[in-house]
Amino acid sequence: DVKVTQSSRYLVKRTGEKVFLECVQDMDHENMFWYRQDPGLGLRLIYFSYDVKMKEKGDIPEGYSVSREKKERFSLILESASTNQTSMYLCASSPAETGPSPLHFGNGTRLTVT
Amino acid sequence: ILNVEQSPQSLHVQEGDSTNFTCSFPSSNFYALHWYRWETAKSPKALFVMTLNGDEKKKGRISATLNTKEGYSYLYIKGSQPEDSATYLCALYTGGFKTIFGAGTRLFVKA
Repeated sequence: DVKVTQSSRYLVKRTGEKVFLECVQDMDHENMFWYRQDPGLGLRLIYFSYDVKMKEKGDIPEGYSVSREKKERFSLILESASTNQTSMYLCASSPAETGPSPLHFGNGTRLTVT
Repeated sequence: ILNVEQSPQSLHVQEGDSTNFTCSFPSSNFYALHWYRWETAKSPKALFVMTLNGDEKKKGRISATLNTKEGYSYLYIKGSQPEDSATYLCALYTGGFKTIFGAGTRLFVKA
């Protein structure tokens, strides 16, 4: 079974801090994604990566960056955290030729920015 | 932009009740519709992948149908159990790296 592991379940950070959210998958998947989930809204794509060192903006990339130095690891970086980045963050992965196959998600990181 | 609507937003049922909820979309410009179950403190897990109009999938007490012509998919749970309590997400895979998610239906099953 695919395992996607997010390093923290809960995080509390202060406004202006630099925040790193880490995600590791163990199934050799090429594609990795970062989503955020807010009440009343569907999951929204922040960034994705289809290969090591490759990254693409999703629908809401502002205020975020990502890093993929190794195939199994995809990091989301908040350069200067703001209160409107308080949210649930979900990492996901999928194989290269995913077609209609579903995504494999981590358990999520609930980030609070005060 | 394709919009995915799920209704109701939340649902409270008694153990043993059968229930269903809806995912609706304005057009059939997608390759697959996914249903996920997301239990508290766990990861969303795929339940079904629907790809054809008239597609119907079943897993135990849970089943799903897809009607692309009318623009909806239904998820049915027969004889709800407390362990069915979760948020059920509908998502449309539109190709490439793009999946559009609905806001989910939160189901509470009371013992």
